[in-house]
Amino acid sequence: EADIYQTPRYLVIGTGKKITLECSQTMGHDKMYWYQQDPGMELHLIHYSYGVNSTEKGDLSSESTVSRIRTEHFPLTLESARPSHTSQYLCASSPGTSGYNEQFFGPGTRLTVL
Amino acid sequence: QQQVKQSPQSLIVQKGGISIINCAYENTAFDYFPWYQQFPGKGPALLIAIRPDVSEKKEGRFTISFNKSAKQFSLHIMDSQPGDSATYFCAASRPGNTPLVFGKGTRLSVIA
Repeated sequence: EADIYQTPRYLVIGTGKKITLECSQTMGHDKMYWYQQDPGMELHLIHYSYGVNSTEKGDLSSESTVSRIRTEHFPLTLESARPSHTSQYLCASSPGTSGYNEQFFGPGTRLTVL
Repeated sequence: QQQVKQSPQSLIVQKGGISIINCAYENTAFDYFPWYQQFPGKGPALLIAIRPDVSEKKEGRFTISFNKSAKQFSLHIMDSQPGDSATYFCAASRPGNTPLVFGKGTRLSVIA
């Protein structure tokens, strides 16, 4: 089983609150990713990082921000949560410098914004 | 624009039957095609992957068939079992440091 952790696993929060979803991996992977997953299954890439101090936006327009100060840690922050942010958020990591490497996913954080 | 089109969206197969999920792509620069399997409450996990220098790759009951000229690839699950019931995602990536592009997923139910 992959050593990638997400906390919290479940979060219910009110509109307007600032929240940070945590993601950590102990595999020393350079690449890390955040996905938003619809209830109907589709995965949307919202942010990714190829190393410390490197962050990129993905395909899905998002009001979230990320930081990569340490290799093992890639937190996702929502400055002001809204009901439209209700979803499952998946973190993943992969090794190497090519695109051919396996992505290891965490168990996800299920976020509900009331 | 969906770069990787996956079908069907859902699939019901009898135990012991063959499950077939198809994906098509447009970008000829793609050169890595993995399949991920996701169980409820878990993140996706790599199931099997193929590069375009081969037309088929088999691992146990799971086979990827790849048709480069048609820009299509498919996952075949032989002797499908109830434990195979999950959501399956195809994906593709280009050479270099680029993220995977995922299909929309197929929800497979194997019934006894």
